[in-house]
Amino acid sequence: AQTVTQSQPEMSVQEAETVTLSCTYDTSESNYYLFWYKQPPSRQMILVIRQEAYKQQNATENRFSVNFQKAAKSFSLKISDSQLGDTAMYFCAMTGNQFYFGTGTSLTVIP
Amino acid sequence: GAGVSQSPSNKVTEKGKDVELRCDPISGHTALYWYRQSLGQGLEFLIYFQGNSAPDKSGLPSDRFSAERTGGSVSTLTIQRTQQEDSAVYLCASSLGGLASRDEQFFGPGTRLTVL
Repeated sequence: AQTVTQSQPEMSVQEAETVTLSCTYDTSESNYYLFWYKQPPSRQMILVIRQEAYKQQNATENRFSVNFQKAAKSFSLKISDSQLGDTAMYFCAMTGNQFYFGTGTSLTVIP
Repeated sequence: GAGVSQSPSNKVTEKGKDVELRCDPISGHTALYWYRQSLGQGLEFLIYFQGNSAPDKSGLPSDRFSAERTGGSVSTLTIQRTQQEDSAVYLCASSLGGLASRDEQFFGPGTRLTVL
């Protein structure tokens, strides 16, 4: 079975601090893609960062980076220098026979 | 160009009625996805189109749900004989390539369906 698990329903972080959101997954595929999506309170989902499973180098997009541990099937998202605009639901996702999303982590950045 | 659009943005209907939700993907995007997001839940994958074909319809919750895509563009999700448990936000997304690609999915704003 292909599953994505986010074990942190809610998190908070002080503005300018660093926070890490956890994600684990399960798949029997040898090649797949992993994504973090952000859904602000306005509801429209946008891509934050993506990682190809065959690449060992961790993806980075400005203040966002991932820690991809393929053997452990772990794909965490690190947000550095947190900003108020980072307040949102964050979903981890994986490709497979379909697109699998986790249940999300609600992140609140505190001024 | 324009992003993914969905209509209506909100739909309130009575139990037992049929509803039709529409999705206009980004022009040129070959793949189109439908998801259901219930309160406090993640995204439930419903169906995926590559062009006009849906390779896997097993994600549709019941035979009351159907979807089609015509001309490789607009898609409609139809729910027949709606039930209260169908109340949710229905999200549509499109991408340039399909599931086997690394292409980003662009999401629409969703349709909030409320079944009374």
